[in-house]
Amino acid sequence: DTGVSQDPRHKITKRGQNVTFRCDPISEHNRLYWYRQTLGQGPEFLTYFQNEAQLEKSRLLSDRFSAERPKGSFSTLEIQRTEQGDSAMYLCASSLGLAGQKTDYEQYFGPGTRLTVT
Amino acid sequence: KNQVEQSPQSLIILEGKNCTLQCNYTVSPFSNLRWYKQDTGRGPVSLTIMTFSENTKSNGRYTATLDADTKQSSLHITASQLSDSASYICVVSDKAGGTSYGKLTFGQGTILTVHP
Repeated sequence: DTGVSQDPRHKITKRGQNVTFRCDPISEHNRLYWYRQTLGQGPEFLTYFQNEAQLEKSRLLSDRFSAERPKGSFSTLEIQRTEQGDSAMYLCASSLGLAGQKTDYEQYFGPGTRLTVT
Repeated sequence: KNQVEQSPQSLIILEGKNCTLQCNYTVSPFSNLRWYKQDTGRGPVSLTIMTFSENTKSNGRYTATLDADTKQSSLHITASQLSDSASYICVVSDKAGGTSYGKLTFGQGTILTVHP
């Protein structure tokens, strides 16, 4: 257990439905990351927060995806109008990080949320 | 485009044997290289992290090497155990430009299966 938790662990939904995932990072970590991992592939970066500010978004994050971290603690990732291609493992990670510093701190991953769109 | 390639894609070994996994990368500018272990259905867990100046780093039965000139890394597992069965992912971080975050580029992983 890395200290990063995600909820739910598994989600099955029908195409066209909206889903929301939650990530609770390690409490003292101010950086939070979302990744997507499809079967047999490594994780792909989706987006990154420094405290409550969303500093970077991947081109993978289409208009149907939105992520928030309103109080700089937990984060949510919402997918609207799900498609079968959205089926994947959604991983959250957190790390320390000081604004303006380029120091690269260790990222700790949560167990992931497995999404299946039928 | 930054890329990380791993080989082999999968590997089957007998318990107690050693094995070596390979990683080649084209990430620039390079910051550090990490090896993660990912059990099925779980998130990745860090094994080692190496910066440009480090050639080798060990974590128990895991030893990682880095050749920054040839942009290659290897992960050597000694005296394998059944619990070593997992996917091993090579991850390279670049040096951030305008942001303070070094973006991670993940390899596709090597699936290791250890048989009794």
